[in-house]
Amino acid sequence: EAGVVQSPRYKIIEKKQPVAFWCNPISGHNTLYWYLQNLGQGPELLIRYENEEAVDDSQLPKDRFSAERLKGVDSTLKIQPAELGDSAVYLCASSPPGRWYEQYFGPGTRLTVT
Amino acid sequence: QKEVEQNSGPLSVPEGAIASLNCTYSDRVSQSFFWYRQYSGKSPELIMSIYSNGDKEDGRFTAQLNKASQYVSLLIRDSQPSDSATYLCAVLRDDKIIFGKGTRLHILP
Repeated sequence: EAGVVQSPRYKIIEKKQPVAFWCNPISGHNTLYWYLQNLGQGPELLIRYENEEAVDDSQLPKDRFSAERLKGVDSTLKIQPAELGDSAVYLCASSPPGRWYEQYFGPGTRLTVT
Repeated sequence: QKEVEQNSGPLSVPEGAIASLNCTYSDRVSQSFFWYRQYSGKSPELIMSIYSNGDKEDGRFTAQLNKASQYVSLLIRDSQPSDSATYLCAVLRDDKIIFGKGTRLHILP
């Protein structure tokens, strides 16, 4: 079974530039998450989707972050404009139906904002 | 008080010994508990889940849950160098998964 796919794996941008991350979950997984992880910290939830519906986006900084999951499969997370403090690893995870709390993570995108 | 607390370590354990990782949580309504392993530069991997008081064993791993004490632990028997990683405790509360900062485990050959 293929795992969660994310791209790009690494991204370096200058502050104030936009950036987008893409995620394709495990086939059949209807729950999708975007997390942010800083060094030495645990993952912090940004947004959770059940199919195409965002069921928890309370921690998403909506002034600069946006996300979409139009057909209930793959998803895109965007930051515009990026700030220095956005440098982190952005993790996508998915969960199977009926077990949304058991998460399978992708390899992550390491973002560096200069 | 942080919602999920773990000692950041590093915890150094000789190869072949039992590694004991601990986690406390602040909210009594927490429902389910998870342990993730994260190798350096990699993403977290779910290794254990536990939902009721007591012990749950899976191979060399045992998760222990005590809801009265708000305490969950992970025991790794016959520790191997490949067990060296950061172990993240996660708690399900109010439809939200909350992660601790993780404990770095170092198995000494």
